[in-house]
Amino acid sequence: DIVMTQSPDSLAVSLGERATINCKSSQSVLYSSNNNNYLAWYQQKPGQPPKVLIYWASTRESGVPDRFSGSGSGTDFTLTISSLQAEDVAVYYCQQYYSTPHTFGQGTKLEIK
Amino acid sequence: QVQLQESGPGLVKPSETLSLTCTVSGGSISSYYWSWIRQPPGKGLEWIGYIYNSGSTNYNPSLKSRVTISVDTSKNQFSLKVRSVTAADTAVYYCARVHGQLWLDYWGQGTLVTVSS
Repeated sequence: DIVMTQSPDSLAVSLGERATINCKSSQSVLYSSNNNNYLAWYQQKPGQPPKVLIYWASTRESGVPDRFSGSGSGTDFTLTISSLQAEDVAVYYCQQYYSTPHTFGQGTKLEIK
Repeated sequence: QVQLQESGPGLVKPSETLSLTCTVSGGSISSYYWSWIRQPPGKGLEWIGYIYNSGSTNYNPSLKSRVTISVDTSKNQFSLKVRSVTAADTAVYYCARVHGQLWLDYWGQGTLVTVSS
């Protein structure tokens, strides 16, 4: 199985400031034949199911605000929220879909400072 | 807009079988993969497996010996069975649509299943 490790486990950021969450995979999730990274980011607010924010490591899902961006390749990835809003308080998960089982990171809890 | 809704018992006794159904509305179950994911209280997400409308499946090896996912295209539903449950199977169970065997783009609201005598 590919192990996904996120850092930090929790993060407190002031409103309007940048938030950065990291995700590292135990092996590359870059598929060389199409140069795509098989990685998604999800946001889970309390009492709600996860919602996909980013796929292919950097493609925003339709309707996701452009303050959310994804970057990285191979084994190291980053989710950045450029200017934190109150509604961004949530737990964020990365997931690889390069190989089954499609494993998730342990989650990063984002709070307001 | 595709919507998914989980249904099934909220309480299951140890050693028995957990059975859940996911009903898909707003779109056909055909031509997509469909997945089950679970989340123990206060913990992270675990991918259980997925099924295609043809019936082909892929399971998490950690659960493969106890899990069956099936599909009923006539009812636009797919189902999950977990056999020989223990307290460790207590979780919120989510069903979701898989975008092309890739990411999960539509999720149900989830249903809490507690394993207890």
